[in-house]
Amino acid sequence: GENVEQHPSTLSVQEGDSAVIKCTYSDSASNYFPWYKQELGKGPQLIIDIRSNVGEKKDQRIAVTLNKTAKHFSLHITETQPEDSAVYFCAASSYGNNRLAFGKGNQVVVIP
Amino acid sequence: DSGVTQTPKHLITATGQRVTLRCSPRSGDLSVYWYQQSLDQGLQFLIQYYNGEERAKGNILERFSAQQFPDLHSELNLSSLELGDSALYFCASSVGLAGGITDTQYFGPGTRLTVL
Repeated sequence: GENVEQHPSTLSVQEGDSAVIKCTYSDSASNYFPWYKQELGKGPQLIIDIRSNVGEKKDQRIAVTLNKTAKHFSLHITETQPEDSAVYFCAASSYGNNRLAFGKGNQVVVIP
Repeated sequence: DSGVTQTPKHLITATGQRVTLRCSPRSGDLSVYWYQQSLDQGLQFLIQYYNGEERAKGNILERFSAQQFPDLHSELNLSSLELGDSALYFCASSVGLAGGITDTQYFGPGTRLTVL
């Protein structure tokens, strides 16, 4: 099955700086890549997703890039704010298979 | 708020017992998914239902079962509970797109199960 890995496991950034989290996946058939943010005591919240027919997608301060050849995708958060502190999960799934394979998560800490 | 509701929020029980977790999907969503989140295993897919029918199975133990009812709410039944079953259990829902396209999954707030 699909194996998704996230790096780094913990990321500390100064408020206002950018944060980048990278994920790699193993199944070349994967074509859908969502990112979820999970705050303490809450369920994962979708923040952005990308499909394999595009290489980049942006939504305000958040962007995701996809490199299908290298089988990796990254989450970019610009102008970080304290409320961006959370655990971020990447996931992948393939056509005809709705199950999401999640990475282990990254703890992002934004230092005011 | 994702629109997915789960009850109860917390559940404390003893080994060997049986519990039922309940999920109501977002209005209009036909697919329901169950995931287990633990510190060592992370978020693991358990099972998916689409419009009342089982659609996909993941790493779900034989002691666990689920169903989706005609009103589209779903229940996850966990029996013969063991200490290792302590985890967060999340339900997610999606529209259920045709043609095999993966659609966006929205997660509920979860049920924290503690087995003593």
